[in-house]
Amino acid sequence: ETGVTQSPTHLIKTRGQQVTLRCSSQSGHNTVSWYQQALGQGPQFIFQYYREEENGRGNFPPRFSGLQFPNYSSELNVNALELDDSALYLCASSLTGVLTDTQYFGPGTRLTVL
Amino acid sequence: LAKTTQPISMDSYEGQEVNITCSHNNIATNDYITWYQQFPSQGPRFIIQGYKTKVTNEVASLFIPADRKSSTLSLPRVSLSDTAVYYCLAFNAGKSTFGDGTTLTVKP
Repeated sequence: ETGVTQSPTHLIKTRGQQVTLRCSSQSGHNTVSWYQQALGQGPQFIFQYYREEENGRGNFPPRFSGLQFPNYSSELNVNALELDDSALYLCASSLTGVLTDTQYFGPGTRLTVL
Repeated sequence: LAKTTQPISMDSYEGQEVNITCSHNNIATNDYITWYQQFPSQGPRFIIQGYKTKVTNEVASLFIPADRKSSTLSLPRVSLSDTAVYYCLAFNAGKSTFGDGTTLTVKP
């Protein structure tokens, strides 16, 4: 049982707008990673937060930014939306962020950019 | 981030053993080999993880040779509900990118 929740489930935006996606980690988990999954592809790592600090970033531009709060919930913000940003956005939490810690994924937010 | 390569798709029948091989030639010393399962419209679900040799849990086995350049996920006696996409990745504390996975279709 994962316990990771994400909101909203679905979202439609237009090009140029900004969007905020939210993730509630599994209880007691202090590490969260965000992924982008385009249709038919595997999840691509965006960034990771550990105890409210960014702790690694994938190959995504600065208009993708995030926050992690003291209760370890987190947000993914995307500015100046582009059509290619349409994807399933997944967050995953882990207990401590150490090397072998299991990640638990949420169900994702489906973002459509028109 | 180490890149992984897997077959795009595989077919099997109920009750058979399925082996999915993954290639990860540039795996780093700190990377653990991790496999996930994903159903449509759901997030990936952890299956198994290992560093070297063989690991077994209640749902799968993972075989990793000494050079760690490849690994094989073994699913014993698959059922229709095992139809899903299976991802192999070189896992480093959650900062890993998935490949395109293997779509396993189990037929009756």
